[in-house]
Amino acid sequence: KQEVTQIPAALSVPEGENLVLNCSFTDSAIYNLQWFRQDPGKGLTSLLLIQSSQREQTSGRLNASLDKSSGRSTLYIAASQPGDSATYLCAACGAGSYQLTFGKGTKLSVIP
Amino acid sequence: SAVISQKPSRDICQRGTSLTIQCQVDSQVTMMFWYRQQPGQSLTLIATANQGSEATYESGFVIDKFPISRPNLTFSTLTVSNMSPEDSSIYLCSGGERDYGYTFGSGTRLTVV
Repeated sequence: KQEVTQIPAALSVPEGENLVLNCSFTDSAIYNLQWFRQDPGKGLTSLLLIQSSQREQTSGRLNASLDKSSGRSTLYIAASQPGDSATYLCAACGAGSYQLTFGKGTKLSVIP
Repeated sequence: SAVISQKPSRDICQRGTSLTIQCQVDSQVTMMFWYRQQPGQSLTLIATANQGSEATYESGFVIDKFPISRPNLTFSTLTVSNMSPEDSSIYLCSGGERDYGYTFGSGTRLTVV
């Protein structure tokens, strides 16, 4: 059974810093991996989708990488802003499944 | 990506009653899912909503408590039946295609009193 872990559970950084959020998964047989953002009391907003054949994906200040062999993905946020404050969730879709397995998320606070 | 409209956004309900949550997708999607998110926790999958047939429920969730309908490829409902305070949670629907990623509705915050 796939398990997804996100470390750290919470992170506080000053505005302008670059930061990395980590996601690890136990079963490397994934179809793809998706990063989401969740603001308090809201739904999830998809940030990036990485297919199993890809190494990374970029969108604006966000860059997500994937290393299937080591079971890891990272989300890099450049030049952080207070508006980036949210909980970030990674979710793996198994190769033989259509369902997402979620990590518990990293709560990011960017301090002005 | 598909855009999903979910309603109601929040509700306060009396115990013993039922609430139906609706999700409308702006395009046909193969997959739709329902999740529960308890305070401070990650998402737990309730069921996969199958078009034209019974939903597939995850362990710990049963059809009598969480009946789901999916009459077509753009719409689904989740009913929370015979509610108790333990059902207070955020309920989220999701949909899309595995190849292109999934999107989520804005969530329904349910409080049972």
